[in-house]
Amino acid sequence: EPEVTQTPSHQVTQMGQEVILRCVPISNHLYFYWYRQILGQKVEFLVSFYNNEISEKSEIFDDQFSVERPDGSNFTLKIRSTKLEDSAMYFCASSQAALGEAFFGQGTRLTVV
Amino acid sequence: KQEVTQIPAALSVPEGENLVLNCSFTDSAIYNLQWFRQDPGKGLTSLLLIQSSQREQTSGRLNASLDKSSGRSTLYIAASQPGDSATYLCAVRTGANNLFFGTGTRLTVIP
Repeated sequence: EPEVTQTPSHQVTQMGQEVILRCVPISNHLYFYWYRQILGQKVEFLVSFYNNEISEKSEIFDDQFSVERPDGSNFTLKIRSTKLEDSAMYFCASSQAALGEAFFGQGTRLTVV
Repeated sequence: KQEVTQIPAALSVPEGENLVLNCSFTDSAIYNLQWFRQDPGKGLTSLLLIQSSQREQTSGRLNASLDKSSGRSTLYIAASQPGDSATYLCAVRTGANNLFFGTGTRLTVIP
């Protein structure tokens, strides 16, 4: 069964460093998303991406964050100058249609120390 | 802003029991509602998607209902099993590309 794949599963980084979280969405999906979940809190929307551009972003997704689809399969989230409060589980998701069922990856647990 | 609430926050039931999880949302102008399962430290597994025009959706032992006008959805799990133990999340889609999640119900099924 097709699935969304995320790497790495866990990343530890020092405060101020840049990290890149990677995702391989389901191959025939056209809409891609990043969400995050701080420990003990709700899953929060960060950004959606369609047709090689951002279609919607939340107020969390400021200039510290960027997304890219560098090739036909990967979808990345870059976090510059990481802060302690960026520690969270980051989920990538994809869907075939704009309002379609969203399928999530297993997540990358980011720990900023 | 859309707010999604799930009650109860935690639930323990003996194996074999039928149970209902509740989800409520403040803005009824939704496109659809999706139920997910989350195992500890893991990702989100989609269980059911129910469109705003639908009242019910079924998958195996799971049945989701939606009352859009009152801002409520329920997830019914029949004949619960220990393997059903997980956190169940509901999420509503109000914009084209944005899911609003509830805080979840942590279910424990006791053998």
